[in-house]
Amino acid sequence: GDSVTQMEGPVTLSEEAFLTINCTYTATGYPSLFWYVQYPGEGLQLLLKATKADDKGSNKGFEATYRKETTSFHLEKGSVQVSDSAVYFCALSEEANDYKLSFGAGTTVTVRA
Amino acid sequence: DVKVTQSSRYLVKRTGEKVFLECVQDMDHENMFWYRQDPGLGLRLIYFSYDVKMKEKGDIPEGYSVSREKKERFSLILESASTNQTSMYLCASSFTGVADQPQHFGDGTRLSIL
Repeated sequence: GDSVTQMEGPVTLSEEAFLTINCTYTATGYPSLFWYVQYPGEGLQLLLKATKADDKGSNKGFEATYRKETTSFHLEKGSVQVSDSAVYFCALSEEANDYKLSFGAGTTVTVRA
Repeated sequence: DVKVTQSSRYLVKRTGEKVFLECVQDMDHENMFWYRQDPGLGLRLIYFSYDVKMKEKGDIPEGYSVSREKKERFSLILESASTNQTSMYLCASSFTGVADQPQHFGDGTRLSIL
């Protein structure tokens, strides 16, 4: 079945540091991949997505590239801000699983001023 | 913008009570979902629905039921609440049948069972 493995947190960084959150997946076919973000006290919101191999999703300075050969979708940001403090979830969706989302466990990121 | 509204942000109930969590979406989405979120476990799917009056079990349906009488509304029911159902509950909705359609989430209901 589908599964998503994220690097465990929590991650604590200083402002302007480089952020990477690793995500690898197992899927039956060719899934779509997503990163969701959850700010304190809120629900999840879509951060970025990629639907096929070598696609790069980007939003708010974050990027992730769909790597089929390594079954990975690592999230990166070159210079984080305090406002990026949140929980980040990697997820996948595919037809074989009726397009339900399978989530990773989430990574808590705290950015200090 | 899509709006998914959950009826309560915080809820405190007692063991054995019947608990209703309500969710409404305003974008005419076919799919609706209920998840629970627990630290270290991510989001786990409880139930989902592809259409009015249709429901499918997710990964952890035990102790829960759902109702979808109207397209925009999806209710989660805890038949007899227990302390291990203390959690954050998230509702989501999406269009059907396409893998790259994101799910849109409500702000969650933090439920405590005493």
